[in-house]
Amino acid sequence: EVVLTQSPGTLSLSPGERATVSCRASQSVSSSYLAWYQQKPGHSPRLLIYGVSNRATGIPDRFSGSGSGTDFTLTISRLEPEDFAVYYCQQYGTSLTYTFGQGTKLEMK
Amino acid sequence: QVQLQESGPGLVKPSETLSLTCTVSGGSFSNTNNYWSWIRQPAGKGLEWIGRIYVSGSTNYNPSLRSRVTISIDMSNSQFSLRLSSVTAADTAVYYCARYRGTGFDIWGQGTMVTVSS
Repeated sequence: EVVLTQSPGTLSLSPGERATVSCRASQSVSSSYLAWYQQKPGHSPRLLIYGVSNRATGIPDRFSGSGSGTDFTLTISRLEPEDFAVYYCQQYGTSLTYTFGQGTKLEMK
Repeated sequence: QVQLQESGPGLVKPSETLSLTCTVSGGSFSNTNNYWSWIRQPAGKGLEWIGRIYVSGSTNYNPSLRSRVTISIDMSNSQFSLRLSSVTAADTAVYYCARYRGTGFDIWGQGTMVTVSS
């Protein structure tokens, strides 16, 4: 089973700053199957990025994804107040199972 | 648009079986591009994928839960269901149903809280 490790656990930034969240996999992940989600308190997760770098429908272009193999990154170029939330990476593997990272909390400084 | 709605008891006794149903509305249930999953989240913790079912009825489960999980599908009512046996307090969580289309979990239900307690 592929284990996804996100860093940092918590990120404290101000609106307007750039946020970078890392997701490292215990073994290589197909680029087609790496996604990122945003979750706000009391809400279901929302798909942000799929296939490493493709924005889901309606996602602003300040969100971007990159990476390959075992190292992936979610970047928010200029933080808006509504971006403060928890972010998860997720992969789908050859074992026909899905795994999520443990989450990164993006909090307002 | 497609919507998912979880339903089922909010309280289950230890050692009993948790049963939830997800109803899909707005079309696409039988679309062969879709996989239907259950995902849970204990309070204050991360997301854990439980298992999925395809329209053919084929299933895949999280290895850590496989011995206790059964997911089934009801095509006539556009529903799929979760049964988790021998529950303990560790199974207390918000349970989500979600659609996966090969790119990500793009549609989620609102989630339903299940508490395991006597």
